[in-house]
Amino acid sequence: QQQVKQSPQSLIVQKGGISIINCAYENTAFDYFPWYQQFPGKGPALLIAIRPDVSEKKEGRFTISFNKSAKQFSLHIMDSQPGDSATYFCAASTTGGGNKLTFGTGTQLKVEL
Amino acid sequence: GAVVSQHPSRVICKSGTSVKIECRSLDFQATTMFWYRQFPKKSLMLMATSNEGSKATYEQGVEKDKFLINHASLTLSTLTVTSAHPEDSSFYICSAPIGGRENGYTFGSGTRLTVV
Repeated sequence: QQQVKQSPQSLIVQKGGISIINCAYENTAFDYFPWYQQFPGKGPALLIAIRPDVSEKKEGRFTISFNKSAKQFSLHIMDSQPGDSATYFCAASTTGGGNKLTFGTGTQLKVEL
Repeated sequence: GAVVSQHPSRVICKSGTSVKIECRSLDFQATTMFWYRQFPKKSLMLMATSNEGSKATYEQGVEKDKFLINHASLTLSTLTVTSAHPEDSSFYICSAPIGGRENGYTFGSGTRLTVV
């Protein structure tokens, strides 16, 4: 059962552009929403995370927008760079859920010169 | 920062043999370790959760006898793929929470297992 749906599956953005990746969830008990970046052959690395009591969180070029009523959240990468080319996963977990993360299906981002 | 060292990074084994994958927390105590499996261009699927000093908790559909997990100390968790078959070929990744959940999770660098 896929509880976190992620789109698009792949994304091509020009250098300097904005990359936008969207996720939607079903389980209203989710209360922690991180985004991970993964390069080929490597484990995921935490980019940024948000809790549902805020609608937006920004860290450098990365911003999470959160819409609790719609059960959706998105990652915006401003001024995208070729070095941002990677696979991005959204995830979610619940308090008392044993710290288990449920991952989205992933988005392969390619930033072209 | 908190680091989980995962070894080996790549392994090729023959069908029917067993392979052990190790994950060590280098500068923190990992009371919990999550083990994931990832197919090419696919998401991470949680296989099991190991807790130091107790039996691992497996997700539905994961064969306990095939994927043996041991978490004997606060710094070491191992996954042994027993009697490996080609369909077990995959990318295996471990992960540990860093302190509280809000501090995130650190992931190992993954192990590419190929069974021939």
